[in-house]
Amino acid sequence: QKEVEQNSGPLSVPEGAIASLNCTYSDRGSQSFFWYRQYSGKSPELIMSIYSNGDKEDGRFTAQLNKASQYVSLLIRDSQPSDSATYLCAVGGSGSARQLTFGSGTQLTVLP
Amino acid sequence: GAGVSQTPSNKVTEKGKYVELRCDPISGHTALYWYRQSLGQGPEFLIYFQGTGAADDSGLPNDRFFAVRPEGSVSTLKIQRTERGDSAVYLCASSSTGANTEAFFGQGTRLTVV
Repeated sequence: QKEVEQNSGPLSVPEGAIASLNCTYSDRGSQSFFWYRQYSGKSPELIMSIYSNGDKEDGRFTAQLNKASQYVSLLIRDSQPSDSATYLCAVGGSGSARQLTFGSGTQLTVLP
Repeated sequence: GAGVSQTPSNKVTEKGKYVELRCDPISGHTALYWYRQSLGQGPEFLIYFQGTGAADDSGLPNDRFFAVRPEGSVSTLKIQRTERGDSAVYLCASSSTGANTEAFFGQGTRLTVV
């Protein structure tokens, strides 16, 4: 049974601060890792993908992957109230298994 | 279309009825996925198509659930003899093949069984 674990939160940060979201996964063979943002009542929106160890930056977002520790994180710099949402960590399977296993999400609130 | 399109957006049905949910993927995407999301949970995998064939249907909860993709584009998720526990948001996603496996979701169909 593949598992993806996230702190459910809620996580509150002040506007302008760095928000740090964490995720661990159980399948050592996983090859692809994603962060989705989901606003209340909406569908998940892809914001970051990462496939190799290290950091990947895209604007205010940085994804970090450590396969040895089976750990992936998302940093949001200069957090804005519009970043308030649930952030879902998703892990792709190994080999031909392309479907994603999702965590239950971390609810982030950025306070003005 | 530009994105994944799902219809209907909302569906209310009576317990025991049959429903069909439709997904039109991003043009050119050969991989199509169905997920189900309950309140407060992440999406749960149901079935994955590569082209016309179901590559993995291990997430379908029981034999009341079935999905097809006859021409390798539009897919239909079919639920027979609906139960109140089937109430959830059903999400469809599509992706291209190859090294980039990013999947993009449609807006979902909210199914309510009364």
